[in-house]
Amino acid sequence: QSALTQPASVSGSPGQSITISCTGTSSDVGGYNYVSWYQQHPGKAPKLMIYDVSNRPSGVSNRFSGSKSGNTASLTISGLQAEDEADYYCSSYTSSSTQVFGGGTKLTVL
Amino acid sequence: EVQLVESGGGLVQPGGSLRLSCAASGFTFSSYWMSWVRQAPGKGLEWVANIKQDGSEKYYVDSVKGRFTISRDNAKNSLYLQMNSLRAEDTAVYYCARGGVGCSSTSCPIPTWFDPWGQGTLVTVSS
Repeated sequence: QSALTQPASVSGSPGQSITISCTGTSSDVGGYNYVSWYQQHPGKAPKLMIYDVSNRPSGVSNRFSGSKSGNTASLTISGLQAEDEADYYCSSYTSSSTQVFGGGTKLTVL
Repeated sequence: EVQLVESGGGLVQPGGSLRLSCAASGFTFSSYWMSWVRQAPGKGLEWVANIKQDGSEKYYVDSVKGRFTISRDNAKNSLYLQMNSLRAEDTAVYYCARGGVGCSSTSCPIPTWFDPWGQGTLVTVSS
């Protein structure tokens, strides 16, 4: 199972919006509406930010949103804040009843 | 408060074995799929294994099949990962995580997300 493809890094200034892409195949991202996104600060456990493509868990800011088109899913963070600086990972359910993560994207808030 | 606490990590020689544990509290453990996810030092997340709420279904990433075994004891609210024939590339922080929406009396879907996660336990495979 190959990892999903994410950009290694993205950056933005406070108040701006950024989008992180996550590209897979028809056997994972494209085949199911089961993409999730996780935020991980250094030395901390990952935190669920988006599930099933575009759903936000209770307590997650509405500045975080998710979408999908074909084999590519996206996480958008609007109104960037300093505390958003972290690593972000996408994940997808697969046709083998397994899960696959992306390689991760480091977000820098300038 | 939902809480997951891993233990059992440490230094082990290549070819050795280790058993990780995850103690769950704050939710009905027996109603959820549970998972192990690992993260090699400085690297990304890698899903390792899932186990259904009653242990009847288990899934593994190809790289650990035949070497790792996921199990659970619902009476003890505990999840386990038995790791045998360990390799240097198994060196990682191992997280346990609750899988997706819980099971109902009629449905127990494979998890499509993980929440929450434990704090992780470090496994180092080195001579």
